[in-house]
Amino acid sequence: GAVVSQHPSRVICKSGTSVKIECRSLDFQATTMFWYRQFPKQSLMLMATSNEGSKATYEQGVEKDKFLINHASLTLSTLTVTSAHPEDSSFYICSARIREANYGYTFGSGTRLTVV
Amino acid sequence: AQSVTQPDIHITVSEGASLELRCNYSYGATPYLFWYVQSPGQGLQLLLKYFSGDTLVQGIKGFEAEFKRSQSSFNLRKPSVHWSDAAEYFCAVGANFGNEKLTFGTGTRLTIIP
Repeated sequence: GAVVSQHPSRVICKSGTSVKIECRSLDFQATTMFWYRQFPKQSLMLMATSNEGSKATYEQGVEKDKFLINHASLTLSTLTVTSAHPEDSSFYICSARIREANYGYTFGSGTRLTVV
Repeated sequence: AQSVTQPDIHITVSEGASLELRCNYSYGATPYLFWYVQSPGQGLQLLLKYFSGDTLVQGIKGFEAEFKRSQSSFNLRKPSVHWSDAAEYFCAVGANFGNEKLTFGTGTRLTIIP
């Protein structure tokens, strides 16, 4: 149970285009979704926290106009990288808090974004 | 602010040898502690977590971790490693309630030699 499905797993896009990453909670309601970014051989850094039906809260240094987060329903959150550039190439992972199971966390399988 | 320190960037052990990965945390309340494993290009897999109760926690794949409040530590152990354990290991801390974020350590890369 408590599965988050993240798509796509890999995407290559041209510089200047936008890319949308989706995370769906399959068997639970995700009131809060966390979006992380991981550069090669580095740890996961929180980009933003999104709550269903409200604006996302971005961490310091993360451009909210570049990384658009939408959490319009309890089962879907999306991250759109707008006007992508090569420096945005990274591994993006979503995570949701599970109210059951003592507030554990479940993670999507990640999206490898390569901007060329 | 909460933080996690994993002092060892890279550890190499022989197959069959014992393993201990260190994790120290800083948190203002009772922490919720996790160990995750990540294979190259993959997402995170939860090995174990500590919420409350018994301070020695058993996880999957033969891993265990011990919560020591006095030392602010949550070290991961395995008595005998297998070649398939080679991966990146992350320790993380969060709140045991609500919608608090997870804060990750910088990770420890584990290499297994035959």
